[in-house]
Amino acid sequence: DAGVIQSPRHEVTEMGQEVTLRCKPISGHNSLFWYRQTMMRGLELLIYFNNNVPIDDSGMPEDRFSAKMPNASFSTLKIQPSEPRDSAVYFCASRMGGAYSNQPQHFGDGTRLSIL
Amino acid sequence: AQSVTQLGSHVSVSEGALVLLRCNYSSSVPPYLFWYVQYPNQGLQLLLKYTSAATLVKGINGFEAEFKKSETSFHLTKPSAHMSDAAEYFCAVSTTTSGTYKYIFGTGTRLKVLA
Repeated sequence: DAGVIQSPRHEVTEMGQEVTLRCKPISGHNSLFWYRQTMMRGLELLIYFNNNVPIDDSGMPEDRFSAKMPNASFSTLKIQPSEPRDSAVYFCASRMGGAYSNQPQHFGDGTRLSIL
Repeated sequence: AQSVTQLGSHVSVSEGALVLLRCNYSSSVPPYLFWYVQYPNQGLQLLLKYTSAATLVKGINGFEAEFKKSETSFHLTKPSAHMSDAAEYFCAVSTTTSGTYKYIFGTGTRLKVLA
């Protein structure tokens, strides 16, 4: 079975540029999560969608970050304008079930983002 | 407030020795608990989960964890470490309070296995 697919795997861009990260969740999963992982802050939840609707975006750092889920098979995380402190590995995860579910999350392999 | 605490950001064991990674949680309602493993340049993978059935949960790669409500703990163990177990391990709790959903990861424990 295909797992969570993220693209690109690596992204290097200059400060000020727009960055778009993409995620295709596992078919049939109705919850989707975006995380950011850094050495300093560990794994941080940025936003959580259920049935394509954003449920909790309290982890989104600031207005430069935005996430969309136009349909059940695709989500994007956009940073505009990007800054060096946004450099991190960004993970997408999906899961079956609603808010209070005992199902585990399935993670993609992440996008390693470097902002110069 | 709900939280997850992993004691020890780095743990080293000799190959063949017991692995013990500690996780304590705080939750006002019975939680669902998970252990994940992360290998370099990969995403997190589920090792095992507790969902209020048996308190001793067996996972993949010979790992198991015991839910102890009295101690609010969910420690991960493996009787004999293998070199391939070297990775970072995350404990996570899924819970809800007043309709607010929370899925919280611990800060991770990096396991090093010595030859």
